[in-house]
Amino acid sequence: GNSVTQMEGPVTLSEEAFLTINCTYTATGYPSLFWYVQYPGEGLQLLLKATKADDKGSNKGFEATYRKETTSFHLEKGSVQVSDSAVYFCALSDLATNAGKSTFGDGTTLTVKP
Amino acid sequence: DAGVIQSPRHEVTEMGQEVTLRCKPISGHNSLFWYRQTMMRGLELLIYFNNNVPIDDSGMPEDRFSAKMPNASFSTLKIQPSEPRDSAVYFCASSFGTGGYNEQFFGPGTRLTVL
Repeated sequence: GNSVTQMEGPVTLSEEAFLTINCTYTATGYPSLFWYVQYPGEGLQLLLKATKADDKGSNKGFEATYRKETTSFHLEKGSVQVSDSAVYFCALSDLATNAGKSTFGDGTTLTVKP
Repeated sequence: DAGVIQSPRHEVTEMGQEVTLRCKPISGHNSLFWYRQTMMRGLELLIYFNNNVPIDDSGMPEDRFSAKMPNASFSTLKIQPSEPRDSAVYFCASSFGTGGYNEQFFGPGTRLTVL
């Protein structure tokens, strides 16, 4: 079946540091890949997505590239801010095999200190 | 836009009581998902509807849980009888299309505490 493996957290960085959160996936079909962010006390919200190999999703300074050869979708940001502190979830959705369900990773908690 | 609306936002109940969680998806969306989030188990998909029809309920923990979607603008998740291990944050999410390639929009969640 499909699965998503995320870098374990928590991750603590200083403001303006470079961020990488690793995400690899296993899928039998051709998935779309997503990064969602969850701020304290809120639901998840889409951060960025990519629907085919070599696509790059980007939003709010974050970006991730769909790498089919390494089955990865790592999240990066060049300079984090305190307001980026949240839980980040990598997810995949494979229309062919999962009837529209999304498979989520376990989430990575990011704390950015001033 | 109002977004996905869930009620109540917080629910505290005693073991054995019936609990009903409510969700109003975004207008025009035709897929609806119920999730449960806990520290121990993370985010779990409980059930998924498409065009008001349950497509996959394999994540529903046991017969104490049931979900309905009587129309395109309303869904309920019921737990009867509730148990302390049901304590969690329950999220409803909706999307347009079959949910495969489209983002899901999450509600703010209902925090359930069963004493």
